[in-house]
Amino acid sequence: DTGVSQDPRHKITKRGQNVTFRCDPISEHNRLYWYRQTLGQGPEFLTYFQNEAQLEKSRLLSDRFSAERPKGSFSTLEIQRTEQGDSAMYLCASSPTRAGANVLTFGAGSRLTVL
Amino acid sequence: AQSVTQLDSHVSVSEGTPVLLRCNYSSSYSPSLFWYVQHPNKGLQLLLKYTSAATLVKGINGFEAEFKKSETSFHLTKPSAHMSDAAEYFCVVSDQSNYQLIWGAGTKLIIKP
Repeated sequence: DTGVSQDPRHKITKRGQNVTFRCDPISEHNRLYWYRQTLGQGPEFLTYFQNEAQLEKSRLLSDRFSAERPKGSFSTLEIQRTEQGDSAMYLCASSPTRAGANVLTFGAGSRLTVL
Repeated sequence: AQSVTQLDSHVSVSEGTPVLLRCNYSSSYSPSLFWYVQHPNKGLQLLLKYTSAATLVKGINGFEAEFKKSETSFHLTKPSAHMSDAAEYFCVVSDQSNYQLIWGAGTKLIIKP
């Protein structure tokens, strides 16, 4: 078990470009979460999956954001037509479904800088 | 609705002295409460968790927290600070659905040599 992996760790892009982040959760974990964290703030919930089903989306997740988990394993978070306000750390976490369901294991995050 | 307030944005202590990071929560039911730590350029790590068992919860690295329902508090303590404790600490409450976490704004712990 190598924990939760996120790729890339850092991404610098120009405004208007599309970016995609990937998350590989702990293999036994059915639940997968995406959070966004800006400087000096705690993480903000974006969305969560139970297996391949996306069960909840925050109002923070505008129509430029889309997340998928097609086979119930890894997940991708895509941001289209990036804006400077999208600059943040994007965190992925996973958890088991039953006992300890609300104990999340986090990846190291993907830092996005939009110029 | 649930909410979490971390009362100090920064706490500075000398190495070897006690640490106290304060957290108050608001919840309409019996909550699950957590403390997470974030070291620079590293992922968030669970320090400890309260889920309606013992009110004094022991975590990793010598940290512990006490759930006080009457005060709606869940303060984090450590008897003796170490330089490696310098990090950002987040107090978290789980919402009723048990999957969405409500995060405090964080407390940055600074350790002076």
